[in-house]
Amino acid sequence: SAVISQKPSRDICQRGTSLTIQCQVDSQVTMMFWYRQQPGQSLTLIATANQGSEATYESGFVIDKFPISRPNLTFSTLTVSNMSPEDSSIYLCSVLAGDAISYEQYFGPGTRLTVT
Amino acid sequence: EDQVTQSPEALRLQEGESSSLNCSYTVSGLRGLFWYRQDPGKGPEFLFTLYSAGEEKEKERLKATLTKKESFLHITAPKPEDSATYLCAVPSYSSASKIIFGSGTRLSIRP
Repeated sequence: SAVISQKPSRDICQRGTSLTIQCQVDSQVTMMFWYRQQPGQSLTLIATANQGSEATYESGFVIDKFPISRPNLTFSTLTVSNMSPEDSSIYLCSVLAGDAISYEQYFGPGTRLTVT
Repeated sequence: EDQVTQSPEALRLQEGESSSLNCSYTVSGLRGLFWYRQDPGKGPEFLFTLYSAGEEKEKERLKATLTKKESFLHITAPKPEDSATYLCAVPSYSSASKIIFGSGTRLSIRP
């Protein structure tokens, strides 16, 4: 299994500002992801955080808005830039543990972001 | 297109009343199916991975089963602490690292 921590756990931010969310894993993992979960909805994948290279973004998400860093195999950051109220959401860090045959996905506790 | 559909959207049960949650999927080449539990304001908690039709896994009052088209999460004699949203998900065929989630079933157990 993997234990994931995120900071901050929650924040209230003004529109136009940026917030950086940190994700720390207790073991080295290859696959690390960032998700968004808007109120009452399921999870949407924002991007895959690649160690040593640029993140891979899903359709509808761009690097200028959601820059991601992955300096090593245990840590990643997601920045939500130039925030608007529509960015209010829970942001979740996730990892895949295991191998190509048998794997499990673990999530951090989430960062609850409110933009006013 | 890879898709995951969960039903019902919400389910209210009396304590001790057993039931099942459904997860149907369409994906070319199933690499696995995940079940999660999510409590309000928290990240999803991993429950099970199922890999092939006929497979079953159990954890306390929960049992997950898998067929070629769907998965069921059976809840036997539930307790109020089993109240949560239950999510299922499958890896996309085109990219195993891209996990596609269903919309979840909100389960509420009344004492």
